[in-house]
Amino acid sequence: DADVTQTPRNRITKTGKRIMLECSQTKGHDRMYWYRQDPGLGLRLIYYSFDVKDINKGEISDGYSVSRQAQAKFSLSLESAIPNQTALYFCATSGGTLQETQYFGPGTRLLVL
Amino acid sequence: RKEVEQDPGPFNVPEGATVAFNCTYSNSASQSFFWYRQDCRKEPKLLMSVYSSGNEDGRFTAQLNRASQYISLLIRDSKLSDSATYLCVVNKGGADGLTFGKGTHLIIQP
Repeated sequence: DADVTQTPRNRITKTGKRIMLECSQTKGHDRMYWYRQDPGLGLRLIYYSFDVKDINKGEISDGYSVSRQAQAKFSLSLESAIPNQTALYFCATSGGTLQETQYFGPGTRLLVL
Repeated sequence: RKEVEQDPGPFNVPEGATVAFNCTYSNSASQSFFWYRQDCRKEPKLLMSVYSSGNEDGRFTAQLNRASQYISLLIRDSKLSDSATYLCVVNKGGADGLTFGKGTHLIIQP
């Protein structure tokens, strides 16, 4: 079984809809991250969390919100989706003895029409 | 200057050849460095960390030059399975973790 899972894997939605992307991990890591990846722009950090009570904005947090429901779960919400939020979204975790190494989920491909 | 810069490629290389990528970073206070590999439509995965003294893992060799602020990755005896995008990654030492380059696309041709 995968250590970091994301649901859904693919999603098509319409402009203005609220959607949630979910991430779960079984690695026991404290740190979790949400990134988006766009062609030509690389990975950009949206939000990160170092524990359940710690939430921090990343480089491009506008239009997004997150919730750290438990150590193992970190969800990303788009309150009112817009077409330029069409992207590939990755969740990642880090922790343990190799604090800096990040382990990524398989990604969620989101299309906003 | 962008925080982490890489030549996007693509690098088209015949199987068995040696290929090298470079990456430059702008923040001289950066503390740690990595190469990640990303296959098409898949998640990035750690390939190797980069240490000041240089390090090798099989056919892969990573070097760090702090004075010039660049990192390199050398792949010897390239295989078809090495075709992927290679991401240069830097930890600036801040709380927000890693900064990713946009990646270098490598295509190994039979």
